[in-house]
Amino acid sequence: EAQVTQNPRYLITVTGKKLTVTCSQNMNHEYMSWYRQDPGLGLRQIYYSMNVEVTDKGDVPEGYKVSRKEKRNFPLILESPSPNQTSLYFCASSLKGQGNNSPLHFGNGTRLTVT
Amino acid sequence: AQSVTQPDIHITVSEGASLELRCNYSYGATPYLFWYVQSPGQGLQLLLKYFSGDTLVQGIKGFEAEFKRSQSSFNLRKPSVHWSDAAEYFCAVGAGSSASKIIFGSGTRLSIRP
Repeated sequence: EAQVTQNPRYLITVTGKKLTVTCSQNMNHEYMSWYRQDPGLGLRQIYYSMNVEVTDKGDVPEGYKVSRKEKRNFPLILESPSPNQTSLYFCASSLKGQGNNSPLHFGNGTRLTVT
Repeated sequence: AQSVTQPDIHITVSEGASLELRCNYSYGATPYLFWYVQSPGQGLQLLLKYFSGDTLVQGIKGFEAEFKRSQSSFNLRKPSVHWSDAAEYFCAVGAGSSASKIIFGSGTRLSIRP
């Protein structure tokens, strides 16, 4: 089944403890992206990747890192999480970016709480 | 700077009634425009998209949207809603090459009155 898989679904951590949220897709998509969703703000793009070893900042990249060493995986890294990073995070992928008429496929989300 | 505004935070309509969700965007060039739907506890699903050409686009689940350049709008419509349409709806604009940067509106929550 074609899907975007995020892990974990729920994560509670403490300020400053490094964490990684994994994202994997099995559709051979070139484009992958991370978003955070906060009430009243919709989804905001954190980072995106047009292909392996090609990443770029979205609108809210501060406090986050990503890597794209292989096509299927796009982990989101929080080196030193802070409470303002408490949010619902979504990973998404598409064949070549939506402008090439390829829709985004979303994972089911990761709810992160930083205390 | 690009932005998307969804002026209605929450809308309630009766089952069988028509629906229009508003979306206004700000973007310097011809935009890529999208509507996504999010059911509770789920990720987002694409309803429809506009890239160019016919300004009235058809999507899944009986939805349609009309691009009006003069009004910078891309409103979503459905002639008759079903209880299963209750969800949150997001309008988005794609910027950059291949719409690589996506800006979402803040969303409109749709409730259906039986």
